[in-house]
Formats: sequence, C-alpha cells, structure tokens
Amino acid sequence: KAGVTQTPRYLIKTRGQQVTLSCSPISGHRSVSWYQQTPGQGLQFLFEYFSETQRNKGNFPGRFSGRQFSNSRSEMNVSTLELGDSALYLCASSRAGDQPQHFGDGTRLSIL
Amino acid sequence: GQQLNQSPQSMFIQEGEDVSMNCTSSSIFNTWLWYKQDPGEGPVLLIALYKAGELTSNGRLTAQFGITRKDSFLNISASIPSDVGIYFCAGQETSGSRLTFGEGTQLTVNP
Repeated sequence: KAGVTQTPRYLIKTRGQQVTLSCSPISGHRSVSWYQQTPGQGLQFLFEYFSETQRNKGNFPGRFSGRQFSNSRSEMNVSTLELGDSALYLCASSRAGDQPQHFGDGTRLSIL
Repeated sequence: GQQLNQSPQSMFIQEGEDVSMNCTSSSIFNTWLWYKQDPGEGPVLLIALYKAGELTSNGRLTAQFGITRKDSFLNISASIPSDVGIYFCAGQETSGSRLTFGEGTQLTVNP
C-alpha cells in the first residue's frame, strides 16, 4: 500500500520567489494536513483540507496557502519567500480528520 | 505556537536497557499519538491512544493515555540499535485534525 508521497523532496529558492509543494495522500484518505518543521519551532500545524475545503488553519501568515483537489491530492503554496521559511514541510493524511495521521517524508525547502 | 512539554530532550542508553519518556500539557486532548522520526524521513506513527487511562502496546513499545487527559508516556523495553531516532508525542483536540507536537526526545542507543 503506497504511503503519503510528497514532491519534490528538495527545493532551493531565493528570497521573494514563490513555491508550490505537492502531496498525494494514502488511497482512501480524504483529510490532508500540512506541517512546518524547523529546529527552533519544532513541528507546527499549517492547515488541513478535507473534501477540497480548508477546515482548520494554524497561525501562519497569508503567504502560506493551500488547496485540495477532488482526488484528495493537495498542494501548498508559499509566496514572497523569506529566509525564515527554510524548513521541512510535511504532509499527513488520514481517513477523516480525527483518525491517526500518516506522514510523508517531506519537502526540504532552502531559501538563499 | 503551543507545544507540549516533552522530556527528556535526549537520552543516551546502552543496548538492552529500558527507556521512558513523557509529555505533559496544560490542555486536554482527546487523542495522544507517539511518532518516531529518522533522519531524512517523516514521522512514523508508533501508537495511538484514544481513552483516558488506556494502556496500549506495540511490540516492545508501551504507551499510556493519562487519566487527566493532559499527559502521556512511552516506554521502550530492551532497546536495540535501530531504536535510535527522535520520538515525538502529539495531542489532538476534539475540534478537528490539528496535532500539537512535543519538542521531541532524541534517543541514542550504544551497542
């Protein structure tokens, strides 16, 4: 059974650019959540999508956005990149929002 | 953002020893989860706990959901080198999927 797939695995951008990260959930999972992981702040919740609707949002600026498609695949977008956006971005999926979440291996984003 | 208080931050043990780590929170959670993360990979779910007082095992791992719903612990018995990694606790509230994570416990096992 395929797990959560995130692409790309690594990304290097410069300040001011924008980036789009992709997440394919486990088959049958309709909830997709995104987290940011940094050495200083740990794992922080960004947002959750279920049936193409954002149901929950963390405390991040509006530069961070996302969407979910009808096949439950999700994308996350960060605009006007800042140095502090360098992090591992993790996607997690579950059958429903309150079921255990399973994580992908993340996208390592580096901002120069 | 809010985080759980997880301790210890790091542990250095000998192979074969037992390990214990715990998490406490000022908030009540409906679900407690324990994950393990290896370098370059995402967190892997180890154990999920759904009821206060629940004690659940997964092989050499045992975890408990605290009676107050504000804490949880994870025990690893007879540690082996492949237990090396970072262990995270996570709490989930009633109102949706948001997970609140602890700071992590870095476990090192000396052969």
